[in-house]
Amino acid sequence: DTGVSQDPRHKITKRGQNVTFRCDPISEHNRLYWYRQTLGQGPEFLTYFQNEAQLEKSRLLSDRFSAERPKGSFSTLEIQRTEQGDSAMYLCASSSGQGFGYTFGSGTRLTVV
Amino acid sequence: AQSVTQLGSHVSVSEGALVLLRCNYSSSVPPYLFWYVQYPNQGLQLLLKYTTGATLVKGINGFEAEFKKSETSFHLTKPSAHMSDAAEYFCAVTESGGYNKLIFGAGTRLAVHP
Repeated sequence: DTGVSQDPRHKITKRGQNVTFRCDPISEHNRLYWYRQTLGQGPEFLTYFQNEAQLEKSRLLSDRFSAERPKGSFSTLEIQRTEQGDSAMYLCASSSGQGFGYTFGSGTRLTVV
Repeated sequence: AQSVTQLGSHVSVSEGALVLLRCNYSSSVPPYLFWYVQYPNQGLQLLLKYTTGATLVKGINGFEAEFKKSETSFHLTKPSAHMSDAAEYFCAVTESGGYNKLIFGAGTRLAVHP
């Protein structure tokens, strides 16, 4: 068990560019979550996968955001046409079921300039 | 709808003093409750959780929390603060019958001074 891995740790991009983040969950965890955290705030839910199925998306996840989890293993989060308001820490977490809590990755910090 | 309120965005204590971080929740069904800690530029680490059973829950690093249904509270305590406890603490709730989606509070930043 190597924990939840996120790549990259930091990303600086120019406004209007596309970015993609990767999350590798704990291998036996079938549930995967993406959260966004801005400075001074708690994490906000973005989306949830159970195996390869995306079962819930927050209204925070505009049409510019898309997430996938092919084959129920790693997941990617893509942001198209980035805006300065997208600057945040993007956190991935995995879980084996209800009541077990999440294991979080270290996050990807996105800065849009 | 679920929500979490953490009273006090900043708490400052002396080393060796009692730590008390407050959390109140709203949930229409029996909740699962969690406390997480976050150090700078890192992800969140689970401190403790309440699902069912004993309402006083012990976690890592000497922290504990008590679920009080009548007060809809899940306050976090530690008898004696250590410098290494300085971090941001988040309370979170999920509904027992849902997808296990966690709803987080805004966080409380704990400062520990000598």
